[in-house]
Amino acid sequence: KQEVTQIPAALSVPEGENLVLNCSFTDSAIYNLQWFRQDPGKGLTSLLLIQSSQREQTSGRLNASLDKSSGRSTLYIAASQPGDSATYLCAAHNNAGNMLTFGGGTRLMVKP
Amino acid sequence: DGGITQSPKYLFRKEGQNVTLSCEQNLNHDAMYWYRQDPGQGLRLIYYSQIVNDFQKGDIAEGYSVSREKKESFPLTVTSAQKNPTAFYLCASRGRNRGQDTGELFFGEGSRLTVL
Repeated sequence: KQEVTQIPAALSVPEGENLVLNCSFTDSAIYNLQWFRQDPGKGLTSLLLIQSSQREQTSGRLNASLDKSSGRSTLYIAASQPGDSATYLCAAHNNAGNMLTFGGGTRLMVKP
Repeated sequence: DGGITQSPKYLFRKEGQNVTLSCEQNLNHDAMYWYRQDPGQGLRLIYYSQIVNDFQKGDIAEGYSVSREKKESFPLTVTSAQKNPTAFYLCASRGRNRGQDTGELFFGEGSRLTVL
């Protein structure tokens, strides 16, 4: 059964820092991997989707990489801002494409 | 605007009552999902449906029921058999681009259920 782990569980950085959030998964036979952002009491907002055949995806200050062989994905946030403060979740889609397994999330706080 | 609408946003229930959470999407997506989120835990899959009139149990289906009579709608009923129903419930659908399944999930804003 797929297991997804995110480290660290919480992170606090000063504004302007570049940072990396980590996601690891146990079963490399994935359909895709998706990164989400969740603000308190809200739903999930999709940030980036990496298909299994891709190595990375970029959107603005965000860059996500995928290394299936090592079972890892990273989310890189450049020049962090207080508005980036949120919980970031990664999720691995199984090979059949019908089930998503979530990590526990990384709670990020960017201090002004 | 296209999207996923969940209602109600907040719901209070007495023990022993069934409640139904609504999820509607106008994205023309085939697959829809219900997840439960508890503090300190990741999202857990309750039920999913890949097509109208078909649905499958997820990891924690006990005490829940669903229906999928229309493509746009996937309501979740939390029954009195669910022992610990207080949680944040999230509905999602899976995207398509030019008829192809992208595998990308889109979520509603969630419904918070509290059992008194």
